[in-house]
Amino acid sequence: EAQVTQNPRYLITVTGKKLTVTCSQNMNHEYMSWYRQDPGLGLRQIYYSMNVEVTDKGDVPEGYKVSRKEKRNFPLILESPSPNQTSLYFCASSSYGQNTEAFFGQGTRLTVV
Amino acid sequence: KQEVTQIPAALSVPEGENLVLNCSFTDSAIYNLQWFRQDPGKGLTSLLLIQSSQREQTSGRLNASLDKSSGRSTLYIAASQPGDSATYLCAVRDLYGNKLVFGAGTILRVKS
Repeated sequence: EAQVTQNPRYLITVTGKKLTVTCSQNMNHEYMSWYRQDPGLGLRQIYYSMNVEVTDKGDVPEGYKVSRKEKRNFPLILESPSPNQTSLYFCASSSYGQNTEAFFGQGTRLTVV
Repeated sequence: KQEVTQIPAALSVPEGENLVLNCSFTDSAIYNLQWFRQDPGKGLTSLLLIQSSQREQTSGRLNASLDKSSGRSTLYIAASQPGDSATYLCAVRDLYGNKLVFGAGTILRVKS
């Protein structure tokens, strides 16, 4: 089954404690990205990757890091989480071409206290 | 900067009604447009994708249209059912294919 898998689904952590949210896709997609969803602000792009070892900032990259060492994986790293990073996070992947859909993971609800 | 607006923000209809959700975008230079459904606390499920060169796409009771020149898309849902209750999101992909820009969504409630 074609899917994007995020882990964990829920996470409560304390300010300053480094964490990683994993994302994996099994569709051999070149393009992967991370979004956060906040009430009243909608979905905003954090980082994206066009292919292995190619990453770039989205609209709200501050406080986040990413890496793309393998095509299937695109982890999101919060080196020193703060309460304003409490949000619902989504990983997405797609191939290239006008007729390619973006597939989304089930989301990770992060709370930073 | 691309901006996507969805109207109405919320909609409540009786079961069986046909309905239209609207999406507008400010920059017509798009790669494609995608409609998603999101259930509370869940991920996004792709409903329909329209390439920039297409005018409409259909899937079952859903029909999406695209008028790129006027910056508009509509999602038509025929014979609505309570199971259609969800938030519907419209997103456009920029010409470089780098980013999806989302609207704020329309919260749909279909009453039985």
